[in-house]
Amino acid sequence: EVQLVESGGGLVQPGGSLRLSCAASGFTFSDYKINWVRQAPGKGLEWVSDISSRGLKIYYADSVKGRFTSSRDNAKNSVFLQMTSLRAEDTAVYYCARDPGYYDSSGYYYSYGLDVWGQGTTVTVSS
Amino acid sequence: EIVMTQSPVTLSVSPGERATLSCRASQSVSSNLAWYQQKPGQAPRLLIYGASARATGIPARFSGSGSGTEFTLTISNLQSEDFAVYYCQQYNNWPPVTFGQGTKLEIK
Repeated sequence: EVQLVESGGGLVQPGGSLRLSCAASGFTFSDYKINWVRQAPGKGLEWVSDISSRGLKIYYADSVKGRFTSSRDNAKNSVFLQMTSLRAEDTAVYYCARDPGYYDSSGYYYSYGLDVWGQGTTVTVSS
Repeated sequence: EIVMTQSPVTLSVSPGERATLSCRASQSVSSNLAWYQQKPGQAPRLLIYGASARATGIPARFSGSGSGTEFTLTISNLQSEDFAVYYCQQYNNWPPVTFGQGTKLEIK
């Protein structure tokens, strides 16, 4: 079964840090870009970051740039989101999601949407 | 950043009827648009990518259309399990990928 499972969420004080993990199974993990998407309580979806299949290209939303760091370990079929300087507005359910797209020879990325999602892990930033 | 605007915010439709959801982009995204369904307490599920291609396992009653800045998700013969929140997402001009604010499809 194709699956993504997030972990590492919890309650943290403002200014604190947290490291989320996303473990993959059932597919060739090293072939896929992985995204992080979050959803604040009662709100819509917000893209946070993505990391290419080999981890060479990483992008961030402006709202987290400089505070969050994405990485991956293809040997362990896992992606990580290191979150520092956390703020109340970072409170959300964090999902990892697979993108089955590809880069062409010119470096343009062709996406097919986010076809597999984890169940999410909840991050609460509060004192 | 491309802003995605969905309408209506809430749509009330009876089971067996057709629902039409709209998504507008602040600038052209070509056909690089996806639709997702999300039920309470669940992760989003990919329905449509490339504006009109159904994802694996998605019933034929779900269809997508449009290109450029105007897109539509049509759900025919609404079933009880279709009542949920629907999001559009553009991935043409990225980063950042951007989502619409969502349309809640409720039972009339």
